[in-house]
Amino acid sequence: DAKTTQPTSMDCAEGRAANLPCNHSTISGNEYVYWYRQIHSQGPQYIIHGLKNNETNEMASLIITEDRKSSTLILPHATLRDTAVYYCIVRVATPNSGNTPLVFGKGTRLSVIA
Amino acid sequence: DTGVSQDPRHKITKRGQNVTFRCDPISEHNRLYWYRQTLGQGPEFLTYFQNEAQLEKSRLLSDRFSAERPKGSFSTLEIQRTEQGDSAMYLCASSLERAGNTIYFGEGSWLTVV
Repeated sequence: DAKTTQPTSMDCAEGRAANLPCNHSTISGNEYVYWYRQIHSQGPQYIIHGLKNNETNEMASLIITEDRKSSTLILPHATLRDTAVYYCIVRVATPNSGNTPLVFGKGTRLSVIA
Repeated sequence: DTGVSQDPRHKITKRGQNVTFRCDPISEHNRLYWYRQTLGQGPEFLTYFQNEAQLEKSRLLSDRFSAERPKGSFSTLEIQRTEQGDSAMYLCASSLERAGNTIYFGEGSWLTVV
């Protein structure tokens, strides 16, 4: 079962920042937070992941709270092409502990509106 | 980097027929995963390989399903005696075994059983 809780859906105006929350209150010390998105009829696309520190790449920023019980994915300037289902996943990802497969929940359906 | 490749992209078959899907992972990726996704749901884990060894199988993988990765490179997923409930998108993903690794997905193979 998925170990995260996300809102079912969100809207965002084009050009504004999209902030997608995720609750993972039972996260363990060796679990990373991963974000993927899935545009209709396509395979999931990797966005970003992190363990403790905030992370940023060309697609998004990931803000993880200090207690690691929640996180926020930020798309700084949302475009219509960012309309998709966004999945937040926690996953053990250390070889010695055994990298585990991704377990998807239902995700958040983000609609970017012109 | 050519990404994860899946073939065929679409398959329509009659109930009771066998179907086989092929997945070519990203070069040098030693882990390969299979997922299934039905409409409105997130991807569900089926099985994964490390090199040629099948390390984990989900309870979703019934006796009619078999996956192989004979030389640790490409993989096949065969469904025997297909049923209408097998209609779904079958996703393949691959990763390199290391800490904090990223799993990359293909575009999926759509199966329709009529």
